[in-house]
Amino acid sequence: GAVVSQHPSWVICKSGTSVKIECRSLDFQATTMFWYRQFPKQSLMLMATSNEGSKATYEQGVEKDKFLINHASLTLSTLTVTSAHPEDSSFYICSAQRGYNYEQYFGPGTRLTVT
Amino acid sequence: AQRVTQPEKLLSVFKGAPVELKCNYSYSGSPELFWYVQYSRQRLQLLLRHISRESIKGFTADLNKGETSFHLKKPFAQEEDSAMYYCALGGSNYKLTFGKGTLLTVNP
Repeated sequence: GAVVSQHPSWVICKSGTSVKIECRSLDFQATTMFWYRQFPKQSLMLMATSNEGSKATYEQGVEKDKFLINHASLTLSTLTVTSAHPEDSSFYICSAQRGYNYEQYFGPGTRLTVT
Repeated sequence: AQRVTQPEKLLSVFKGAPVELKCNYSYSGSPELFWYVQYSRQRLQLLLRHISRESIKGFTADLNKGETSFHLKKPFAQEEDSAMYYCALGGSNYKLTFGKGTLLTVNP
């Protein structure tokens, strides 16, 4: 149990367009979902925390108008990269928290390339 | 501010040799620490957490508050242990701060 999926697994888009990434907890209801960004050969950087039915909480330095997060249900959160630029190219990973603890289950990640 | 430091980007050992992956942290409160592992082409998964004090796949980690360390150890490395290892520190609202990771290679 505790499987988290992400869709798409990879996406290529043109500069100036928007891209939506979905994160789903398949067999449990997530109390919270987290969005991370991972640059090549670097660590995961937390971008935002997302709770169902409320506004996401963004980490310092993350543009909320650039990275729109919607948490429509207890099993689905989406990250939309708006007006994407090449510097947004990265690996985006979500995780879903089960319960009120540090128990996070990670998705497989989405590779975004902006040309 | 909380911080996690993994001083070694790369660590290479031979099969059967002991391995230790270092992790140091900076945190003003009572820390909750974790080790995550990412095998090739797989997602990040929890290896162990300090509060459970259990051994997973032969790995152990002891929290040393005096040295602010949480090093991961295994007495006899196996080839299947080759992976990326991340140390993580739990903060407020269940957020995790990750170290930069150590790529462990176990040679035959």
